[in-house]
Amino acid sequence: GQQLNQSPQSMFIQEGEDVSMNCTSSSIFNTWLWYKQEPGEGPVLLIALYKAGELTSNGRLTAQFGITRKDSFLNISASIPSDVGIYFCAGQLSGGYQKVTFGTGTKLQVIP
Amino acid sequence: DAGITQSPRHKVTETGTPVTLRCHQTENHRYMYWYRQDPGHGLRLIHYSYGVKDTDKGEVSDGYSVSRSKTEDFLLTLESATSSQTSVYFCAISGSSGETQYFGPGTRLLVL
Repeated sequence: GQQLNQSPQSMFIQEGEDVSMNCTSSSIFNTWLWYKQEPGEGPVLLIALYKAGELTSNGRLTAQFGITRKDSFLNISASIPSDVGIYFCAGQLSGGYQKVTFGTGTKLQVIP
Repeated sequence: DAGITQSPRHKVTETGTPVTLRCHQTENHRYMYWYRQDPGHGLRLIHYSYGVKDTDKGEVSDGYSVSRSKTEDFLLTLESATSSQTSVYFCAISGSSGETQYFGPGTRLLVL
């Protein structure tokens, strides 16, 4: 099945640093989503983007829906230890069953 | 948090035995989904439901069946478990068309 290319696969950063990750696809999507998953838990929705070019923030997180509709970016500013986890992007098409395609995740580790 | 529970949370079983996982929601959402999550593959859709008794296959449906006899419950059955079905299984729900998916806490299944 189709998957999104998410990069980087993993990253170690110092507390207080900013983080950037991105997701690209060969297909266009109508919605881009970013989830965070902590160990032993299900993914939790962070940000949803519905329009090409849209820039949306949620606290220290900012995500953008690429103009081509084939990519999206997530930035985390001033990282803190609780930002540790795996971040997944997902592209969604409109339609009856709202098929969602997930990226393979970016594992983030924050060094205090 | 969306009201989604999964049971059991952990299960160990033997090859060839049937296994049923349950997803229960209190949100009265129309759509329910079962995913499996494996290293290197991200989340992959197994089956989904768009209403009571209305289900369809996802991208990795072989060896799995589902049933939805009431809005709040979506069951995933492995008719004869195999070691390749060792995985973490997530249920997700969404409301009307265009709404994003919210995930349950997951079930960790080990098939020996």
